[in-house]
Amino acid sequence: KNQVEQSPQSLIILEGKNCTLQCNYTVSPFSNLRWYKQDTGRGPVSLTIMTFSENTKSNGRYTATLDADTKQSSLHITASQLSDSASYICVVTYTGGFKTIFGAGTRLFVKA
Amino acid sequence: GAVVSQHPSWVICKSGTSVKIECRSLDFQATTMFWYRQFPKQSLMLMATSNEGSKATYEQGVEKDKFLINHASLTLSTLTVTSAHPEDSSFYICSARFASGGEQFFGPGTRLTVL
Repeated sequence: KNQVEQSPQSLIILEGKNCTLQCNYTVSPFSNLRWYKQDTGRGPVSLTIMTFSENTKSNGRYTATLDADTKQSSLHITASQLSDSASYICVVTYTGGFKTIFGAGTRLFVKA
Repeated sequence: GAVVSQHPSWVICKSGTSVKIECRSLDFQATTMFWYRQFPKQSLMLMATSNEGSKATYEQGVEKDKFLINHASLTLSTLTVTSAHPEDSSFYICSARFASGGEQFFGPGTRLTVL
């Protein structure tokens, strides 16, 4: 069964600290993996996209990694800011029918 | 970058009425649009996929007669919630893509509250 699981479910960190969010998937055949940031009451915004051959992709203070062998991805946030408080959603697309599966998301709270 | 808009951003209606939500791709032609529903503290749940000029494909458990989708052009799709009830209150989000397997660009969402 194609699944995308994210951990932790929620996370509270202090401003300025780093954090890492995890995404494990069992999708096959894999096409690409995206991380989205969703602010409360808003639509998701893409942070990074990685295909099978890419291991690391950065977007400012966000760095995503992908291990296609173990089917794991992580999103590392450096020097967190209050505005990083949001839900981070891992989305995996698989080539069969170009379907996408959404993870349940990690809710990040950055405190001053 | 690609921009997707939704209108209205929020709507409050009485039970039994119908509500129409518009989704527009502003700077690209979307071959496919998607409609999602999101309940508080939950992830997005795909409701249906629509391609311009053809009938929408609904996910299992989504009533096609209740959630009417019209993808009239390459830049506009509408979702009509017919005879809305309080349990239909949710955050509805659309997305659009211009190529198969390509990135989905999300709209800002529409908050529906049914009294």
